[in-house]
Amino acid sequence: DAGITQSPRHKVTETGTPVTLRCHQTENHRYMYWYRQDPGHGLRLIHYSYGVKDTDKGEVSDGYSVSRSKTEDFLLTLESATSSQTSVYFCAISETGTGETQYFGPGTRLLVL
Amino acid sequence: DQQVKQNSPSLSVQEGRISILNCDYTNSMFDYFLWYKKYPAEGPTFLISISSIKDKNEDGRFTVFLNKSAKHLSLHIVPSQPGDSAVYFCAASNSGAGSYQLTFGKGTKLSVIP
Repeated sequence: DAGITQSPRHKVTETGTPVTLRCHQTENHRYMYWYRQDPGHGLRLIHYSYGVKDTDKGEVSDGYSVSRSKTEDFLLTLESATSSQTSVYFCAISETGTGETQYFGPGTRLLVL
Repeated sequence: DQQVKQNSPSLSVQEGRISILNCDYTNSMFDYFLWYKKYPAEGPTFLISISSIKDKNEDGRFTVFLNKSAKHLSLHIVPSQPGDSAVYFCAASNSGAGSYQLTFGKGTKLSVIP
């Protein structure tokens, strides 16, 4: 299994509060991704990173920001959580980017009340 | 517009028989395809992949077939085992565009009945 951990694994928060999810990898892979999974939608890309301090938007980036100050850590921040952001969030990593397998972490289940 | 479609939300198969999971795509620029398996409360686990230069890839009990003209791929599991019961996601990417995004289908829940 790829060395990917996510924290917290579960979180309940209230609308309007900031939330930060952390993804940590021990594989030294250059690329890291944040996806969300919702019923009826499969997995959708929120943001990704192609190196330290290098990030870009994915398909569903509105309301989210990311930061990557170290190779091993990729943070996802919900500046002001909304109920529509209730979801399961998955981090993924890959070694070289395009045309390549991505490996996923265990997920964070977020409930915004 | 859904670019990767898994039209069967669920599938039930007897243990020992073949499971066939199907996936259709609309974007002709996709050139790399993957299947992931997901158990409840866990992250997706990579199962098998295929590049568009091939039409078949095999790994043990798992075989993926790609029909580019029909924009269709399928995953065959032979023989099916109860431990194969999970949600299976098909995913695709366009490596030539410099896009790092995997586009996923909605998943098919496979139940293997002992």
